[in-house]
Amino acid sequence: DGGITQSPKYLFRKEGQNVTLSCEQNLNHDAMYWYRQDPGQGLRLIYYSQIVNDFQKGDIAEGYSVSREKKESFPLTVTSAQKNPTAFYLCASGPPLPEGEKLFFGSGTQLSVL
Amino acid sequence: DQQVKQNSPSLSVQEGRISILNCDYTNSMFDYFLWYKKYPAEGPTFLISISSIKDKNEDGRFTVFLNKSAKHLSLHIVPSQPGDSAVYFCAASGSGGSYIPTFGRGTSLIVHP
Repeated sequence: DGGITQSPKYLFRKEGQNVTLSCEQNLNHDAMYWYRQDPGQGLRLIYYSQIVNDFQKGDIAEGYSVSREKKESFPLTVTSAQKNPTAFYLCASGPPLPEGEKLFFGSGTQLSVL
Repeated sequence: DQQVKQNSPSLSVQEGRISILNCDYTNSMFDYFLWYKKYPAEGPTFLISISSIKDKNEDGRFTVFLNKSAKHLSLHIVPSQPGDSAVYFCAASGSGGSYIPTFGRGTSLIVHP
């Protein structure tokens, strides 16, 4: 059963703490993405990766870091430098650009600050 | 600066009637447009798309219309059903955005029984 798995579903961060959100896909997609959703803000791109060991900053990369050591995995770390981390985080994957316009999304992680 | 705009945050429609969701874009380099549907606490799912070489694409109850000169697209749902109640995101991609989809802020559709 192919798809994208995000974990955990809910995550709480303490002041000054780094937290890592997991994203795994078995769709054999080259490209993976992290988006952040805030109420009334739509989806904003944090980071994306088109190939293993390579990734690019999106529109709101400050305070976040990623790695792409395996094709299937694209974890996102929310660092203590991100002052407003409370949001719904969505991971997506798709065929390589430019033909990969359609994205497949995971079910999301809700991050909240304690 | 928003390149993809959904100016109606919400829309309320009676079951069986038509729902029309609108989307405007500013980047003339966009040439591929998509609509995604999202339920609360879930990820968006792809609904329908249209290439800039077309002005209409139909899939069952869903039709997307594209007016390139006006940089405007719309999603029509006929007939609307209560299960269609969700947030609908318009997205656009093309060489102007490195082909990565740019999303609007979404329109929350409520279909009343």
